[in-house]
Amino acid sequence: NAGVTQTPKFQVLKTGQSMTLQCAQDMNHNSMYWYRQDPGMGLRLIYYSASEGTTDKGEVPNGYNVSRLNKREFSLRLESAAPSQTSVYFCASSEGPGQGADGKLFFGSGTQLSVL
Amino acid sequence: AQSVAQPEDQVNVAEGNPLTVKCTYSVSGNPYLFWYVQYPNRGLQFLLKYITGDNLVKGSYGFEAEFNKSQTSFHLKKPSALVSDSALYFCAVRDPGYSSASKIIFGSGTRLSIRP
Repeated sequence: NAGVTQTPKFQVLKTGQSMTLQCAQDMNHNSMYWYRQDPGMGLRLIYYSASEGTTDKGEVPNGYNVSRLNKREFSLRLESAAPSQTSVYFCASSEGPGQGADGKLFFGSGTQLSVL
Repeated sequence: AQSVAQPEDQVNVAEGNPLTVKCTYSVSGNPYLFWYVQYPNRGLQFLLKYITGDNLVKGSYGFEAEFNKSQTSFHLKKPSALVSDSALYFCAVRDPGYSSASKIIFGSGTRLSIRP
């Protein structure tokens, strides 16, 4: 059982380049999320999808777009990468609408992104 | 507005000794509280949660946490630390008054280091 799978694991971009981070879950979860993790700042929510066909902004959405392709897949796109987007990105999923009945999240292993 | 604080960036404990990782929170209603652990180069893993009921919650790997409403705290504890417990620990809080998936907040994390 793979759980939440993210690709790629590492990526280096030049300022202004674009890229898409892919995420897929095999737990039949309704809700999916993208977080970024920066030193000393914990995890901050970028975008989330409470259910297939819906997406909403989180705490730090600027510079990002998302697509909920189907129930399994939720991608994050950087249209024009900036050095401030250097971070570790995590995809997560949960049961039910919103963050599930209690908010228990299942995380992928992360993507380490550097923007030069 | 809800918030969560982890006052210690790092906690150092000798193997076999008890450990405590501190967490305090602020929400308008009764909180849902969580602890997650992150091992190097991995995503976050769920450890335990408090929703309601007994103030002492038991979780994975021998960890437990005590909910203290008067002190608005949810400290993570383990009676006897193992070297393998060394990792980054995150406290998280959700205000159940919000149905939106975005209303879960993570602390900044505490690095736990267990010396042999």
